[in-house]
Amino acid sequence: DAGVTQSPTHLIKTRGQQVTLRCSPKSGHDTVSWYQQALGQGPQFIFQYYEEEERQRGNFPDRFSGHQFPNYSSELNVNALLLGDSALYLCASSIGTGRANTEAFFGQGTRLTVV
Amino acid sequence: AQKVTQAQTEISVVEKEDVTLDCVYETRDTTYYLFWYKQPPSGELVFLIRRNSFDEQNEISGRYSWNFQKSTSSFNFTITASQVVDSAVYFCALSSSNSGYALNFGKGTSLLVTP
Repeated sequence: DAGVTQSPTHLIKTRGQQVTLRCSPKSGHDTVSWYQQALGQGPQFIFQYYEEEERQRGNFPDRFSGHQFPNYSSELNVNALLLGDSALYLCASSIGTGRANTEAFFGQGTRLTVV
Repeated sequence: AQKVTQAQTEISVVEKEDVTLDCVYETRDTTYYLFWYKQPPSGELVFLIRRNSFDEQNEISGRYSWNFQKSTSSFNFTITASQVVDSAVYFCALSSSNSGYALNFGKGTSLLVTP
């Protein structure tokens, strides 16, 4: 049973560029959440997708957008990259949105470096 | 507003020592959930435990134990007889309905266990 898979594992982009990160949830999971983890910090919630809609959003600018596909996989898009966007981007999958009795399973993340 | 504080940035112990990782949280919600995750160097967050606010029973799982005290808003994690494989960053997290059950993480405690 494959867990949460993310691609690519590492990425280097230039300031001002756009980037797309991808996530496939754990089998049987229908909800995908994205987190940004800066070096030495805890993960920060970006947003959550369920039934192909954004259901919850953290304190991130509109440059951060996402999408969920019918097969539950998800993309995170970041436009107009800033140096401060350099971080580990983690995808987490779970069952159902707004449910507390479920734990989130995390992928290994995509390390984004903006130069 | 919710907040999770892990005051210990780094802890270093010698193998077989016991070690306690502290977590203090703030929330106005009466129903909430507390978590511990382990992040090895590979980057993936590994779920360790979830505890809801109505269950103050301590829990033990092998060498791991958790002490939840609502009176002091703390959810501490103890590793007994630590091993080198326990070396990782450990995160405490909080979620509630007001946050759409998104995880609100502390900054983490880096644990180094040396032989």
